[in-house]
Amino acid sequence: GAVVSQHPSWVICKSGTSVKIECRSLDFQATTMFWYRQFPKQSLMLMATSNEGSKATYEQGVEKDKFLINHASLTLSTLTVTSAHPEDSSFYICSATAGLDTQYFGPGTRLTVL
Amino acid sequence: ILNVEQSPQSLHVQEGDSTNFTCSFPSSNFYALHWYRWETAKSPEALFVMTLNGDEKKKGRISATLNTKEGYSYLYIKGSQPEDSATYLCASNTGTASKLTFGTGTRLQVTL
Repeated sequence: GAVVSQHPSWVICKSGTSVKIECRSLDFQATTMFWYRQFPKQSLMLMATSNEGSKATYEQGVEKDKFLINHASLTLSTLTVTSAHPEDSSFYICSATAGLDTQYFGPGTRLTVL
Repeated sequence: ILNVEQSPQSLHVQEGDSTNFTCSFPSSNFYALHWYRWETAKSPEALFVMTLNGDEKKKGRISATLNTKEGYSYLYIKGSQPEDSATYLCASNTGTASKLTFGTGTRLQVTL
């Protein structure tokens, strides 16, 4: 089946620093990648949609200058949390699709901002 | 229904029991209903994608049905095993490669 990796699986950083999370489709070309976030006891919520070579589309309420998304190739998308603060502590997970119906997910990244 | 809702929130069954969960979703602008199985520290695993009213899909001991007119889907597990222990997520979307709107999941624990 289609495999999506995500790195790192967990990260702890100091307030004010930036953190980059990578999402890779290992055995298929992902025309579209999605970034979701999950707070405790809540559902996965979409942050942004990215298509290779174009700017990401952000959901309402998600600051594009804070959550920088780059989808430079058909197998890699990155999410950078800039100037992270404790309220950005969350579980971030990406998914990828080759343009068909199924979205394949990475294992997620647990971000803790001190 | 405005959001995707799942029930029950959690479920504890014994090995060999059969069980089922419910997913309710908005029936307007519906395109597809997705079921995922998510074990701790792993990637959510896609189980089914269902698009047509009356769809029924099966994968081993797991099956799912879809009613798009009333906006619900059932997931059934026959003869539960400890390895079935996971959180089962459903999500709906409005088009191919469009965003998924998720429920909060049903957490299943199967004990010996």
